[in-house]
Amino acid sequence: RKEVEQDPGPFNVPEGATVAFNCTYSNSASQSFFWYRQDCRKEPKLLMSVYSSGNEDGRFTAQLNRASQYISLLIRDSKLSDSATYLCVAEKGGYNKLIFGAGTRLAVHP
Amino acid sequence: EAGVAQSPRYKIIEKRQSVAFWCNPISGHATLYWYQQILGQGPKLLIQFQNNGVVDDSQLPKDRFSAERLKGVDSTLKIQPAKLEDSAVYLCASSFFSVTGVAKNQETQYFGPGTRLLVL
Repeated sequence: RKEVEQDPGPFNVPEGATVAFNCTYSNSASQSFFWYRQDCRKEPKLLMSVYSSGNEDGRFTAQLNRASQYISLLIRDSKLSDSATYLCVAEKGGYNKLIFGAGTRLAVHP
Repeated sequence: EAGVAQSPRYKIIEKRQSVAFWCNPISGHATLYWYQQILGQGPKLLIQFQNNGVVDDSQLPKDRFSAERLKGVDSTLKIQPAKLEDSAVYLCASSFFSVTGVAKNQETQYFGPGTRLLVL
């Protein structure tokens, strides 16, 4: 079993749609979680950290359920510029070692 | 602020040849990471340095891969000899993170543009 699992997609949605991505992780000792965004042929960039209380950054909302070892990302009012691969990430071992999922691809169309 | 620099951006070699990648992290970042990203997969950590010491190299194929960060700043990753399955993007990242513990907002890893390697 992979340490971080994501639905690879692709998710094809129209502009303005709301889309949700889910992710599960296997290491219950993981303390920190993140969503990274990766554009085609570019490097990953931090989108947001994920906290147990849930957190929001504009149109983006991230949730963490430690009991179910489940992380989610909700994107509201999708824009064309949101088209990218979204990587779910869990920290492992306490030394800032990041375990990346394979990513979920999002394509927003007009 | 300058980001993480990597070179070369692209490299094509034949199997059994050697190749080296270079990375210069963000100034002041103690921790440097090398990742391998195979097409369709997420980045996989190969090695993590803090200053010039290795924190984690558990997933580095040591029979063919080596890395060093001699002066605690820039780093090189070498593959010798290369195999077809080494075709991937090699990403370098850096962070302010210290294993002695720092503020949580200093965990962010900043990635360089990567080196795209094709082994024929």
